[in-house]
Amino acid sequence: QKEVEQNSGPLSVPEGAIASLNCTYSDRGSQSFFWYRQYSGKSPELIMSIYSNGDKEDGRFTAQLNKASQYVSLLIRDSQPSDSATYLCAVNRLDSSYKLIFGSGTRLLVRP
Amino acid sequence: GAVVSQHPSRVICKSGTSVKIECRSLDFQATTMFWYRQFPKQSLMLMATSNEGSKATYEQGVEKDKFLINHASLTLSTLTVTSAHPEDSSFYICSVDQGASGGRDEQFFGPGTRLTVL
Repeated sequence: QKEVEQNSGPLSVPEGAIASLNCTYSDRGSQSFFWYRQYSGKSPELIMSIYSNGDKEDGRFTAQLNKASQYVSLLIRDSQPSDSATYLCAVNRLDSSYKLIFGSGTRLLVRP
Repeated sequence: GAVVSQHPSRVICKSGTSVKIECRSLDFQATTMFWYRQFPKQSLMLMATSNEGSKATYEQGVEKDKFLINHASLTLSTLTVTSAHPEDSSFYICSVDQGASGGRDEQFFGPGTRLTVL
């Protein structure tokens, strides 16, 4: 079992729809969770961090964390073609090293 | 968040040569930086943790004598790929974690360096 799992996609949604991206992790004690967006040929860009159970909203983005079920999700409302990218889920390691474990990413395509 | 730069953004070299990549934290004093490698259509793989004033720690399977890391100041870490071969061709990305230096636990990436070894 991979430590951080994501569906590779592509997830295709029409412009204006809600895109839902999911991620599960294996280390129950993980405390910090992150979503990064990576455009083709570019480096990852941090878009959301979440540390406690529940929802965290920032503009069109909402991160949801459920530690009991060991999953974290990202909702993108009013999806735009410019949101088309690969979204990487990352979880901190338990050894307090500040190292992150990345999922393989979900490719999102927003159709105009 | 922290602003991170890398130089060069792209480098092409001949097999057997060495290539140095610089990573700078422009607005944050980083005691810890990370070096990642990303092959096409794959996720990021952590190579090593760069520690200011001390030796880097390498992930399992990463050759420390091939990938030399120096973190001489709080704003600069360098990665030198020694005796590069075509299989070293990849996208190399550094990052800064603010939490490691007392800030919020968030990691920010440089723009990356694309290395092509002929």
